[in-house]
Amino acid sequence: DSGVTQTPKHLITATGQRVTLRCSPRSGDLSVYWYQQSLDQGLQFLIQYYNGEERAKGNILERFSAQQFPDLHSELNLSSLELGDSALYFCASSASGAEVNEQFFGPGTRLTVL
Amino acid sequence: TQLLEQSPQFLSIQEGENLTVYCNSSSVFSSLQWYRQEPGEGPVLLVTVVTGGEVKKLKRLTFQFGDARKDSSLHITAAQPGDTGLYLCAGGPHTGNQFYFGTGTSLTVIP
Repeated sequence: DSGVTQTPKHLITATGQRVTLRCSPRSGDLSVYWYQQSLDQGLQFLIQYYNGEERAKGNILERFSAQQFPDLHSELNLSSLELGDSALYFCASSASGAEVNEQFFGPGTRLTVL
Repeated sequence: TQLLEQSPQFLSIQEGENLTVYCNSSSVFSSLQWYRQEPGEGPVLLVTVVTGGEVKKLKRLTFQFGDARKDSSLHITAAQPGDTGLYLCAGGPHTGNQFYFGTGTSLTVIP
């Protein structure tokens, strides 16, 4: 158990819909990262928050957004869902946003868009 | 185009054999991590290497960071079925503070 929790574990929805994925980092960790993992793209970095502020942005679509709240939990919002958004979404946390980032991953949310 | 390329992509070996997995990039990284992921679960951190030429050992696993900090290797001695999984290298922060994961090596150890 990494100490990172994600809910829900599974999510099935239809195209055009909007969903919210939730992540609670390990106790004391200030950084939260979101990743998308699909069979053809591998693990893709989406976005990082550090202590409530956006720190880095990766291959995140404009239809996706995220935020980190004062209690450090984070949410990833996916809107206008398309079939291609079906993937595993992982959240990870680390102690700081500094040079060496040892990230601890949650169990993931499997999103299926029908 | 992936910033971190891993090879081989797939590897199936018999229990007791040795193997090496490679992680290569044309970019310099301040540190590299190796993770192992099992189906349906999140990646689990194995090791972090930060110094060019650094070698770290974790039981039967030996990790090396290239002198130029552009590549890394993972060597497993006497592989066991419990070593089966997807091995991922990761580097960052890179340009724009982004983090990159390698393409992955799927290892199967046959009893």
